[in-house]
Amino acid sequence: GENVEQHPSTLSVQEGDSAVIKCTYSDSASNYFPWYKQELGKRPQLIIDIRSNVGEKKDQRIAVTLNKTAKHFSLHITETQPEDSAVYFCAASLPNFGNEKLTFGTGTRLTIIP
Amino acid sequence: GAVVSQHPSWVICKSGTSVKIECRSLDFQATTMFWYRQFPKQSLMLMATSNEGSKATYEQGVEKDKFLINHASLTLSTLTVTSAHPEDSSFYICSAKLAGVVDTQYFGPGTRLTVL
Repeated sequence: GENVEQHPSTLSVQEGDSAVIKCTYSDSASNYFPWYKQELGKRPQLIIDIRSNVGEKKDQRIAVTLNKTAKHFSLHITETQPEDSAVYFCAASLPNFGNEKLTFGTGTRLTIIP
Repeated sequence: GAVVSQHPSWVICKSGTSVKIECRSLDFQATTMFWYRQFPKQSLMLMATSNEGSKATYEQGVEKDKFLINHASLTLSTLTVTSAHPEDSSFYICSAKLAGVVDTQYFGPGTRLTVL
């Protein structure tokens, strides 16, 4: 099955600086890579996703890049703000005829220092 | 759009009792729902995949007789933790996929189960 590794486990950045979180996956057939943000005791919220036919996707301050050859993908947050503080999870899924299941990374606790 | 609810949001029960958790897609039809559990400061671990009108598919190591899943309609899936024990205490989260749309999962707010 798929295995997803995520680094770093914790990350502290000054407000206004950029944050980068990296993930690697094991199965080259994986074709969907979402990123979720989870605040304490709350549901994971999809913040951005990318499919394997795209190398980069951007949504305002958030971007995701995918390197299929190296089997890694990264989340980039620019101009960080205190409300960006949360746990971020990457995930990967294999195609499965509508039953695609997500394999999550171990999470990164991002702290924005005011 | 794509709102998923769970009920209850938290529950405390005695050891040996059963607890039912509901997951509903409020504004869309979900042919597939997923159940996860999350321990404190850990990642989400998939327990099972639930398809409307058919038996759930459980992940390796998850006891299907202990975690009963019923997906009776396109908007409702239930997870019943039978004969709960303290080690079953966890945060249980469901997610749902829009019918006809691949990949994207929308998560419910989670249910915190505490077994005394």
